[in-house]
Amino acid sequence: AQSVSQHNHHVILSEAASLELGCNYSYGGTVNLFWYVQYPGQHLQLLLKYFSGDPLVKGIKGFEAEFIKSKFSFNLRKPSVQWSDTAEYFCALNTGNQFYFGTGTSLTVIP
Amino acid sequence: DTAVSQTPKYLVTQMGNDKSIKCEQNLGHDTMYWYKQDSKKFLKIMFSYNNKELIINETVPNRFSPKSPDKAHLNLHINSLELGDSAVYFCASSMGGARTGELFFGEGSRLTVL
Repeated sequence: AQSVSQHNHHVILSEAASLELGCNYSYGGTVNLFWYVQYPGQHLQLLLKYFSGDPLVKGIKGFEAEFIKSKFSFNLRKPSVQWSDTAEYFCALNTGNQFYFGTGTSLTVIP
Repeated sequence: DTAVSQTPKYLVTQMGNDKSIKCEQNLGHDTMYWYKQDSKKFLKIMFSYNNKELIINETVPNRFSPKSPDKAHLNLHINSLELGDSAVYFCASSMGGARTGELFFGEGSRLTVL
């Protein structure tokens, strides 16, 4: 069955630290992959997406993610986090009309 | 213009009551969804409609009934509310089918059952 795993549940970083959030999926076919961010009290917004082509995708606010097919992974990275990046981050997989979400990673950035 | 809009944003009600949440999207998308986000932020798909037809109906109590009068609207009615129904309910839409693209979310409706 299709699934998405996010292994980091809570991450605490100081400002300017580098960030990498793990995401692994389980699905044997063609995948569309996404990272969404949910700022406190707000709805989910798209950070970036991968459909095909260059496996390194760049999103908004300096985020990027790399699709590694052999590892079934789509990890999110940012070289230098800011306090305003404090939020919940969700990895998602689309296999058609169905979207599968990971359990989310709570990121707290300390000024 | 808000792409996916939900009303109301906040609902506080007593156990046993019935309530509805409305959702409208102006993106011309074919597919709409209801997600439930619990206190641990876990997102659970509840329903999905494609062109007014139900295509996903996860294990959700019968007290929850979606209605899609047209492809731009997907409403959620909840009967006999229980404490465990307290959550944030998100409506979302996507293009659907092979051109599914990304999900666009509404701002959420926070339901509190007392």
